[in-house]
Amino acid sequence: NAGVTQTPKFQVLKTGQSMTLQCAQDMNHNSMYWYRQDPGMGLRLIYYSASEGTTDKGEVPNGYNVSRLNKREFSLRLESAAPSQTSVYFCASRLTGLQPQHFGDGTRLSIL
Amino acid sequence: DAKTTQPPSMDCAEGRAANLPCNHSTISGNEYVYWYRQIHSQGPQYIIHGLKNNETNEMASLIITEDRKSSTLILPHATLRDTAVYYCIVRDGGATNKLIFGTGTLLAVQP
Repeated sequence: NAGVTQTPKFQVLKTGQSMTLQCAQDMNHNSMYWYRQDPGMGLRLIYYSASEGTTDKGEVPNGYNVSRLNKREFSLRLESAAPSQTSVYFCASRLTGLQPQHFGDGTRLSIL
Repeated sequence: DAKTTQPPSMDCAEGRAANLPCNHSTISGNEYVYWYRQIHSQGPQYIIHGLKNNETNEMASLIITEDRKSSTLILPHATLRDTAVYYCIVRDGGATNKLIFGTGTLLAVQP
């Protein structure tokens, strides 16, 4: 049982390049989330999908787009990467109700 | 903004109980207290959650005060592997389950 899988684990981009971060979960969870974490800070919510077919903005959505491809997969896209988007990105999923979120191991993204 | 206040860091001796406090004075009646931890910049790991009753599982115990304005996470026998940043999070019981992370408490377990 892999849980939440994120790819790639590391990536270096140049300013202006585009990139899609992939996230897949095998727990049949309904909700999925994308967070970013900057040094010394807690996680901040970028976008979330409460259920298949729906997406909503979180705290820091500017510069990102998401796609809930199916129940398993939730991707995060940077259309034109900026140095301010250098961060560690975490994907999470949750079944429903009060069930906790389960997190992936993160994607470490550097933008030069 | 995070609805919780935690000390930035704490130390604990290996084998002793670690008691991590959290203040959430503005918590409302339908909001739950969740605890997560993050080890070495890995993804956060769920520990425990509660509404108003004390809770215990295989990882920890959660003690919530009667007025619900504060809580304490207890790791009964801390090990070196428990060194991590611990986040106390208040969230509502709604469908979206958005978690708002603060900066947490860095617990350093000393040998």
